Amino acid sequence: GIQVEQSPPDLILQEGANSTLRCNFSDSVNNLQWFHQNPWGQLINLFYIPSGTKQNGRLSATTVATERYSLLYISSSQTTDSGVYFCAVERGSGGGADGLTFGKGTHLIIQP
Amino acid sequence: DVKVTQSSRYLVKRTGEKVFLECVQDMDHENMFWYRQDPGLGLRLIYFSYDVKMKEKGDIPEGYSVSREKKERFSLILESASTNQTSMYLCASFHGGADTGELFFGEGSRLTVL
Repeated sequence: GIQVEQSPPDLILQEGANSTLRCNFSDSVNNLQWFHQNPWGQLINLFYIPSGTKQNGRLSATTVATERYSLLYISSSQTTDSGVYFCAVERGSGGGADGLTFGKGTHLIIQP
Repeated sequence: DVKVTQSSRYLVKRTGEKVFLECVQDMDHENMFWYRQDPGLGLRLIYFSYDVKMKEKGDIPEGYSVSREKKERFSLILESASTNQTSMYLCASFHGGADTGELFFGEGSRLTVL
């Protein structure tokens, strides 16, 4: 299956700072999603982004499919942005219908 | 909004007990999944289902079974719980289409086996 690597594994920032999280994957993808896991364990969908760029408020994401990486940008960080950010790609040939393979995540801590 | 509901947020069971984890989704999705999440190991797929009464093994199916009697409900069963099944269990459903393919998760069930 496709391998997913995320960096950095841990990131500590002050409130108001900007950050970039990276996701590298080992093969071409038809499905790539970014999730945020809050401190209570809930996984929240951020972006479905197998290619291109999307923005949602202070968050944006870019996937360069030809170079096999995706970036998640968080601007003007707030303490509520703390948590673990996961990148995930399709597990098999079903475009996600047979599940996603997850990276190990980036643990982000925003300090007030 | 998609709603995936897991029946129990926290459970404590004893070794050897039979455990049922229930999951219901309200968006008529065909595909549903059970993952477990462990520190250092990330999220791993246990089983999934693409239709009623259909099931497929994921990457770590040993020690688990599943049931999908109705489209909206997908149950994970631990026939005889063991301490190494202490984990966070996450249910998800999948919405696929021409220009999307999103996985939606429930809130998780944290299981402790003593």
